[in-house]
Amino acid sequence: AQTVTQSQPEMSVQEAETVTLSCTYDTSESDYYLFWYKQPPSRQMILVIRQEAYKQQNATENRFSVNFQKAAKSFSLKISDSQLGDAAMYFCAYRSAWGLNTNAGKSTFGDGTTLTVKP
Amino acid sequence: DAGVTQSPTHLIKTRGQQVTLRCSPKSGHDTVSWYQQALGQGPQFIFQYYEEEERQRGNFPDRFSGHQFPNYSSELNVNALLLGDSALYLCASSLGDREGTEAFFGQGTRLTVV
Repeated sequence: AQTVTQSQPEMSVQEAETVTLSCTYDTSESDYYLFWYKQPPSRQMILVIRQEAYKQQNATENRFSVNFQKAAKSFSLKISDSQLGDAAMYFCAYRSAWGLNTNAGKSTFGDGTTLTVKP
Repeated sequence: DAGVTQSPTHLIKTRGQQVTLRCSPKSGHDTVSWYQQALGQGPQFIFQYYEEEERQRGNFPDRFSGHQFPNYSSELNVNALLLGDSALYLCASSLGDREGTEAFFGQGTRLTVV
């Protein structure tokens, strides 16, 4: 079974600074997808960024970028120029790819990192 | 364009009772996944429905069952409620024929079992 570990229960960053959230995962699969989701107090989970495991290039979405190290099974999220609105719980998630795989399409989430942004 | 909508938003049930939660997917989406999120933890995958069938299931007992209707909306049913079933239940929708696509989440149903 796949597992996702977020080793930082809480992180804080000064507004306009950069912060990196860590995520490691364990899998024997070669094809999969990785995601970072943001969950503000409103509870609605919002996709921040997505990475396909077969792509070597790290995904980037505006101020958000990832450092994907497939061999190390590491998938960290970097938030640049942090804003007050970035404060939320961040979840790293793994999704098995389709195919002859009993876990096809199944998603596994980490336990989250609470990010505080200080003005 | 309405996103994913869940009802009700909050619910209080007594141990041993049964509950039904509802989810309407984002317009154009045909796949619905359900998650259980206990306080302070990440979402746990319950199951996924596509074309009115359960396509994938997580490690949840048979007390958890679901259904998908022809209009792609879905229900999650939990029988014989336990105190430990108290959690936020999230529904997510996506396009089933496109692997790795973004899943859009609803705001969840907060279930409290007393």
